[in-house]
Formats: sequence, structure tokens, C-alpha cells
Amino acid sequence: KAGVTQTPRYLIKTRGQQVTLSCSPISGHRSVSWYQQTPGQGLQFLFEYFSETQRNKGNFPGRFSGRQFSNSRSEMNVSTLELGDSALYLCASSLEPGGVQPQHFGDGTRLSIL
Amino acid sequence: EDQVTQSPEALRLQEGESSSLNCSYTVSGLRGLFWYRQDPGKGPEFLFTLYSAGEEKEKERLKATLTKKESFLHITAPKPEDSATYLCAVQDGSGTYKYIFGTGTRLKVLA
Repeated sequence: KAGVTQTPRYLIKTRGQQVTLSCSPISGHRSVSWYQQTPGQGLQFLFEYFSETQRNKGNFPGRFSGRQFSNSRSEMNVSTLELGDSALYLCASSLEPGGVQPQHFGDGTRLSIL
Repeated sequence: EDQVTQSPEALRLQEGESSSLNCSYTVSGLRGLFWYRQDPGKGPEFLFTLYSAGEEKEKERLKATLTKKESFLHITAPKPEDSATYLCAVQDGSGTYKYIFGTGTRLKVLA
């Protein structure tokens, strides 16, 4: 069974640019969450999508946005990139919200801002 | 406010030297507690789910336990390949069902 797939694995951008990251969840998983991971802050929750609708949102500025497609694949977009956006962005999928189940993670996209 | 605190931040062990990692939490109605292992450059890998106080789960050299306020990950006779960051997460029961992660314990096992 294929795991969570994130593309691209690495990205280098400059300040002011925008970026789109992609996530394909495990087959059958309909809930997709996004996290930002930095050495000092650990995993910070960005948002969660289910049935193409945003269910939950973390405390990040509006420059961070996402969407989910009918096949449960998800994308997140960051506009007007800042140096502080350099991080590992992780996508996690689970069957559906509300159930007590673990999230399964992809290997992330390493975003570096120059 | 929901919070997960892991200790210690970092731990160095000799091969075969058993120890425990701690995860303390405050959450509005715990639905589940999860342990993950994360290797450098990789995403977290799921290890265990614990649902209620008193529950225990084992996998090879790892054993996870849960009380009403904290969880322990016991590592028995560790090997160098157990070196990784271990993350703890809780799922709140307030209705949002969010997952809250601790900042992890970086474990290094020396041969």
C-alpha cells in the first residue's frame, strides 16, 4: 500500500515569491492535514481538509492557504515568501476526522528561502 | 490550552542501556495519544496509539504506557538503529479533534 506522497521534496525560492506544494494521501484516506516543522518550534498545525472543505486552521497568516480536490489530493500555497518560511512542510493523512486514529505522514517538502 | 511537553529534549545512551522518554499533556478530553519516530530528512513514522489510562503497547524494544497525565516510552536494551527523534501527539476531544504534537526527544544510541 503506497504511503503519503509529497512533491517536490526540495524547493529553493527567494523572498516575495510564491510556492505550491502537493500531497497525495494514502488510498482511502479522506482527511489531509498540513504541518510546518522547524527545529525550534516542532510541528505546527497549518490546516486540515476533509471532503474538499477546510475543517480546522492553525495560527498562521493568510499567506498560507490550501485546498483539497475530489480525489482527496491536497495542495498548499504560500504567497509572498519570507525568510522565516524556511521549514519542512509535512502532509499527513487519516481515514476521516473524528475517529481515534493516527495520522500517517509523508517525507515532507524542504523549503528554503534565500 | 492544550499542551504536550516532552522530556528530555535530548538523550544519549550506550548500546544496551535502557531508559524512558516522557510525554506529559493537558488536553480537553483525551481521545488518543500517539507515538512517532522520525529519522533525519524523513516524516514521522507511526509507532503506537494509546486510548486510556493503564494501557500498554509493545513493539520490539519499545514499550509505551499511559496514565491520566503522561505517557512513557520505555526503550529496553537499545541499539544504534534506535537513534531518532521520538514525537508524542494527543488528539483532543473538544470537537475539533486536532492533533497536538510535542517537540520531541532526540535519542542517540552509541555503539
